[in-house]
Amino acid sequence: RKEVEQDPGPFNVPEGATVAFNCTYSNSASQSFFWYRQDCRKEPKLLMSVYSSGNEDGRFTAQLNRASQYISLLIRDSKLSDSATYLCVGSSGTYKYIFGTGTRLKVLA
Amino acid sequence: GAGVSQSPRYKVAKRGQDVALRCDPISGHVSLFWYQQALGQGPEFLTYFQNEAQLDKSGLPSDRFFAERPEGSVSTLKIQRTQQEDSAVYLCASSLGRSGLAKNIQYFGAGTRLSVL
Repeated sequence: RKEVEQDPGPFNVPEGATVAFNCTYSNSASQSFFWYRQDCRKEPKLLMSVYSSGNEDGRFTAQLNRASQYISLLIRDSKLSDSATYLCVGSSGTYKYIFGTGTRLKVLA
Repeated sequence: GAGVSQSPRYKVAKRGQDVALRCDPISGHVSLFWYQQALGQGPEFLTYFQNEAQLDKSGLPSDRFFAERPEGSVSTLKIQRTQQEDSAVYLCASSLGRSGLAKNIQYFGAGTRLSVL
């Protein structure tokens, strides 16, 4: 079992829809979590850090559930430009990132 | 720009050739990381430097892989006697490396796409 697991998708949603991704992690020692976005043939870019209390940035909301060991990303009012792969990241120490396989999102016009 | 710079962007090697991939981190970033990303997968950790010290090389797949950062800035990932299974994108990332969540955020370069024929 991979340490960080995501549904690879693809998720095909119409413009304006709300879409949610979950990511589970197996290492209970994981302390820090992030969502990165990766466009095709580009580098991963930080979308959001995930805080215990949950956090929101515009149309994006991230949640952490330590009891069930999962994190989530909610995207509201999807835009065509949101089409990308979303990578879930867990980190148990001060440096080591463990990535999920990524969830592909395609927003359709 | 001020981001992480990697070169070359693309590298084609014949099986058995040695290759060297370069990473220039963000100025002032103490920590530097190498990852390997296979098609359709997330990046997999290879190795970690804090300044010039290689503190973790647990992810290097074999002794054909070697990384260095002699002056605590630019890093080189070397792969000797390349094999077809080495074909992947090699990503470099850097972070400030100080304590605290925000300071440990990793910033990635565009990667080197290695194809071994």
